[in-house]
Amino acid sequence: GAGVSQSPRYKVAKRGQDVALRCDPISGHVSLFWYQQALGQGPEFLTYFQNEAQLDKSGLPSDRFFAERPEGSVSTLKIQRTQQEDSAVYLCASRRTGGGADTQYFGPGTRLTVL
Amino acid sequence: AQSVSQHNHHVILSEAASLELGCNYSYGGTVNLFWYVQYPGQHLQLLLKYFSGDPLVKGIKGFEAEFIKSKFSFNLRKPSVQWSDTAEYFCAVNAYSGGGADGLTFGKGTHLIIQP
Repeated sequence: GAGVSQSPRYKVAKRGQDVALRCDPISGHVSLFWYQQALGQGPEFLTYFQNEAQLDKSGLPSDRFFAERPEGSVSTLKIQRTQQEDSAVYLCASRRTGGGADTQYFGPGTRLTVL
Repeated sequence: AQSVSQHNHHVILSEAASLELGCNYSYGGTVNLFWYVQYPGQHLQLLLKYFSGDPLVKGIKGFEAEFIKSKFSFNLRKPSVQWSDTAEYFCAVNAYSGGGADGLTFGKGTHLIIQP
């Protein structure tokens, strides 16, 4: 079946612009995660949804970062007033259940470059 | 807070050599442990995972890993590597919270290059 998809795959923004990154999880997956991966680093957790509820946003680096999943399927990560340090690959993952041992399936990521 | 340490950032091996990639984590409670792989131009995919039971787990493509609780380790092994194993390997952990609300904590990754 279809995996996790993300759009756009690449985004170039000027510093100060707002951006919106989209994630389409695997159909029926309850859990959805966002991660940020800087160059040469492992992914870092940003936020977690179970259905439409945002249960953990402890990894969001500042109040410029905002995520939503209003209908419990598609999710959007929004970054306001982008800064150069926001340049990274943003990964979305979905998980069939709410169980921590269940596998997270990752999308291809959106590479954000802030000039 | 949890952390994951991968000891080797770059590893170069010849085909048919044996592989062991180190992974240590810091968390005193019950954990779920994962190894993910990212082949060139592809997205992260699961190699194997441990959450309970037999500490020696087998994954795809001949990989295995052993959970040693006393050493807080989850090293990845493969007896004979192939050129197609060239990839970035990530160890990850999440703490067992019952609710499954914890995201994964990843190591920095090991870039493995297999020379033909």
